[in-house]
Amino acid sequence: QVKLLQSGAALVKPGASVKMSCKTSGYTFTDYWVSWVKQSHVQSLELIGQIYPDSTTPNFNEKFRDKATLTVDKSTSTAYLELSRLTSEDSAIYYCTRRGYFPGFAYWGQGTLVTVSS
Amino acid sequence: DTVLTQSPALAVSPGERVSISCRASEGVSSYMHWYQQKPGQQPTLFIYEASNRASGVPARFSGSGSGTDFTLTIDPVEADDTATYFCQQSWNEPLTFGSGTKLEIK
Repeated sequence: QVKLLQSGAALVKPGASVKMSCKTSGYTFTDYWVSWVKQSHVQSLELIGQIYPDSTTPNFNEKFRDKATLTVDKSTSTAYLELSRLTSEDSAIYYCTRRGYFPGFAYWGQGTLVTVSS
Repeated sequence: DTVLTQSPALAVSPGERVSISCRASEGVSSYMHWYQQKPGQQPTLFIYEASNRASGVPARFSGSGSGTDFTLTIDPVEADDTATYFCQQSWNEPLTFGSGTKLEIK
């Protein structure tokens, strides 16, 4: 069955970067977009961006274009989200997610908690 | 961006009917989806395209609406339905989520 397994929690210092992973299985990685969603107490859920594994150009929510980098490794069916120049506002849970056969995100990773603190 | 407005919280008793609303700042056709999220868990898709139940979702859950006004209805409510419910639109870019409605079962 479809699974999205995310990397563990990260504690990072302000100004640093963090890279998290989303290892997928149970489907053909190159057939579906992988999306990344931020969940914080302040802004609830926000789409960061989406990447199609066979494309070199991700789609971004403009709010996150200068903050996030999306990449994939097709050899391991893994998607990555890197966040740069971290501030306390980046402290949140980050989910990778994928739609099913119909619209709507049917599959979610378990989330990666990022805490930005000195 | 399309803003989705939800009431912050509702409290109902088991066996009652509850309607959770989501209003969009601009039309989203029928591309509104609903998620249930329990504490410490990732969201789960419950309704897609306004009125279609996702796999495994009980028939007690139903969705309706189009354009800018949408409703998730639970009838009858059970204790296990305690959760936060989010709406999400995928008609306009960027796709956006509502702020969530926390449902308490008395």
